[in-house]
Amino acid sequence: EVQLQQSGPEVGRPGSSVKISCKASGYTFTDYVMNWVKQSPGQGLEWIGWIDPEYGSTDYAEKFKKKATLTADTSSNTAYIQLSSLTSEDTATYFCARPGYPAYWGQGVMVTVSS
Amino acid sequence: DIVMTQAPLSVSVTPGESASISCRSSKSLLHSNGITYVYWYLQKPGKSPQLLIYRMSNLASGVPDRFSGSGSETDFTLKISRVEAEDVGIYYCGQLLENPLTFGSGTKLEIK
Repeated sequence: EVQLQQSGPEVGRPGSSVKISCKASGYTFTDYVMNWVKQSPGQGLEWIGWIDPEYGSTDYAEKFKKKATLTADTSSNTAYIQLSSLTSEDTATYFCARPGYPAYWGQGVMVTVSS
Repeated sequence: DIVMTQAPLSVSVTPGESASISCRSSKSLLHSNGITYVYWYLQKPGKSPQLLIYRMSNLASGVPDRFSGSGSETDFTLKISRVEAEDVGIYYCGQLLENPLTFGSGTKLEIK
């Protein structure tokens, strides 16, 4: 059974960074790119970017190029997203996902930016 | 970027009746391989999105056949027949043709 298990909720101070993990199981981690999606409170879905775990190559939405850094550790089948220079605009739920077919989504991680 | 425009913003449906949600893309989602890369998701309250329809008209595994998808290269429809209480949530269309992946703004389905 494919699962994407994400880390727990995070609270970050303005200006700081947070790093969220997404542990994949039930499939060959390097066979699929991992996408990351942001959902601000009460808002829709916003694609951040993806990483190809096999090669480490990445692609980002323009808006997130200076905000997010995607990495992957093939030894632990875990993808990461680091969010830097946090502001209130970063308060949101972040999903890792394989949105195609068959689709798999992590449970989401709530990031709260608060002083 | 491909813009996905969804309508309506919300829909209220009596159980047993049908509902339709529209989605329009700013660019053709038909790939040269003949596949149209539009997907439909349902996000139930407090949950992750779940896939309903892939590649415009294919029913995802485990999804009731009350759900169906149709469309052309740029105009798409999700139809829900015989709406049930468990269908409440926010429906999103999304395009997976090219990066950046983009989604519609969502349609909230409520039960009357």
